[in-house]
Amino acid sequence: RKEVEQDPGPFNVPEGATVAFNCTYSNSASQSFFWYRQDCRKEPKLLMSVYSSGNEDGRFTAQLNRASQYISLLIRDSKLSDSATYLCVVNLYKLSFGAGTTVTVRA
Amino acid sequence: DGGITQSPKYLFRKEGQNVTLSCEQNLNHDAMYWYRQDPGQGLRLIYYSQIVNDFQKGDIAEGYSVSREKKESFPLTVTSAQKNPTAFYLCASRHGTSPEAFFGQGTRLTVV
Repeated sequence: RKEVEQDPGPFNVPEGATVAFNCTYSNSASQSFFWYRQDCRKEPKLLMSVYSSGNEDGRFTAQLNRASQYISLLIRDSKLSDSATYLCVVNLYKLSFGAGTTVTVRA
Repeated sequence: DGGITQSPKYLFRKEGQNVTLSCEQNLNHDAMYWYRQDPGQGLRLIYYSQIVNDFQKGDIAEGYSVSREKKESFPLTVTSAQKNPTAFYLCASRHGTSPEAFFGQGTRLTVV
């Protein structure tokens, strides 16, 4: 079983829509969780950390469910600039990356 | 400006040759990492180093080697033993207590 698994998508949504997707992790001892964003042929960059109580950063909301071992990302009021691949990252003693979920926002 | 720099951006290698990818950071980070990214497979960890003169194998270390003689530098050598080296290679670093990893811009290696 992979350490981190994501729905690859693609999620193709119109501007202004809400899109949400999950990521599951296999090691219950994992300590911290993140979402990174990767644009085509570029390096990943931290989008947001994921806290146990859930957290928001503007139009982005992240949730953690330790009992079911998944994290989620919700994007409200999608913009064209949100088109990217979103990588789920889980940290124990090293960072483990999911394969990414591709989101395409269309005009 | 502080950051992490990878070079070269593009690299072509003939079969049977070893090549070394450079990664330098001036962020004073203790930990450094090498990842490989193939289409549709996300990032896979090759090697990582938590302190100078120490490093550990990641999930796909076979055919690769690294050194960590200086805190700022973590070069990766792709040896001829790596059977399918064509990929996008990413170097990252982070401070020991911080969750955020900073990535270089990557090196695209192509075997010709």
